[in-house]
Amino acid sequence: KAGVTQTPRYLIKTRGQQVTLSCSPISGHRSVSWYQQTPGQGLQFLFEYFSETQRNKGNFPGRFSGRQFSNSRSEMNVSTLELGDSALYLCASSKAGGPDTQYFGPGTRLTVL
Amino acid sequence: AQSVTQLDSQVPGFEEAPVELRCNYSSSVSVYLFWYVQYPNQGLQLLLKYLSGSTLVKGINGFEAEFNKSQTSFHLRKPSVHISDTAEYFCAVSILTGGGNKLTFGTGTQLKVEL
Repeated sequence: KAGVTQTPRYLIKTRGQQVTLSCSPISGHRSVSWYQQTPGQGLQFLFEYFSETQRNKGNFPGRFSGRQFSNSRSEMNVSTLELGDSALYLCASSKAGGPDTQYFGPGTRLTVL
Repeated sequence: AQSVTQLDSQVPGFEEAPVELRCNYSSSVSVYLFWYVQYPNQGLQLLLKYLSGSTLVKGINGFEAEFNKSQTSFHLRKPSVHISDTAEYFCAVSILTGGGNKLTFGTGTQLKVEL
């Protein structure tokens, strides 16, 4: 069974731009969560989607948003990029959500210049 | 709110020697506990999890962990490490919140195994 895939793997953007990251969960998984990983803040929860509905949200500004499609694929969007948004963005999927095991993708490395 | 403390940011390891990575958590409700490993430039891979039942949990690659409710700990151990175990290890907790699934991670422990 294919694992969680994330595209693109690497992105370079400039301040003020916006970016969209994509995540395809494991087949049959309906919950998708997003995490941000930085050297300073570590791994932080962004949000979780289940059956196209946002079920949990972390403490991030409104510039960070996401959505989930009927096939469970998910996208996250960051608008008006700031230097501090440079991070590894990880997507994780699970069958039905809490406290099911979350399986992580390889991440998207975003660099903001 | 729950929190996770990984007491050691770095732990040295030696080929074929045992190692322990420490994890303590804080929560006002019951938690579910996980250990993940991250190799350079990769995502997180699940090592093991505790949801209920036996407090000694065995995972992949020879790792095991013991859930201790009275000490609110979930330390990770491996009897004999190898150079290939060099990676960063994350302890995480999850509670049922809003019907969903949210992991709270510790700050990670870097294990470097040498000959």
